[in-house]
Amino acid sequence: GAGVSQSPSNKVTEKGKDVELRCDPISGHTALYWYRQSLGQGLEFLIYFQGNSAPDKSGLPSDRFSAERTGGSVSTLTIQRTQQEDSAVYLCASSLNWADEQFFGPGTRLTVL
Amino acid sequence: GDSVTQMEGPVTLSEEACLTINCTYTATGYPSLFWYVQYPGEGLQLLLKATKADDKGSNKGFEATYRKETTSFHLEKGSVQVSDSAVYFCALTKETSGSRLTFGEGTQLTVNP
Repeated sequence: GAGVSQSPSNKVTEKGKDVELRCDPISGHTALYWYRQSLGQGLEFLIYFQGNSAPDKSGLPSDRFSAERTGGSVSTLTIQRTQQEDSAVYLCASSLNWADEQFFGPGTRLTVL
Repeated sequence: GDSVTQMEGPVTLSEEACLTINCTYTATGYPSLFWYVQYPGEGLQLLLKATKADDKGSNKGFEATYRKETTSFHLEKGSVQVSDSAVYFCALTKETSGSRLTFGEGTQLTVNP
């Protein structure tokens, strides 16, 4: 079946603009994760959704970052007033349940000029 | 907080050489341990895992043993191939943190023919 998909694959934006990154998890997966992969920080956790529970936002680096998951499926990560340090590859992963294997999407490469 | 430390890369080997990538962790409680692999141009994939002390994970000729006494989970392969060239990430999760993955820095492996 289809894996985790993310769009766009690449995004170039100017400093100060808002961006939205989309994640389509594997159908039926209740858990969804966002991670960020950057040269200086490696791979770091951002936010986690599990079913209808309140999301775990403890990894979001600032209040410019937010995410939502509509209908328990598609998720959007929004970065407001982007900064150059936001440049990174943003990865989405989903799993059947919170304790199961996480399957990763191909990522969105964000470049902030 | 929890953390994972990997040996620094990059690592360059000749085909059929032995591979060891060191990984140690710091965590309270009983983490599960993972190795993920990222092939060029592809997304992160789970390579192997171990969920309790003394468990051995194995896949595609790779092995790693969960050593609680040394807090280690070293990745080994007896004979590497050119197709093993990739970035390898050691990671852990804990039930108490919603199975978010905490990753090491990643180790770039290049295997030359």
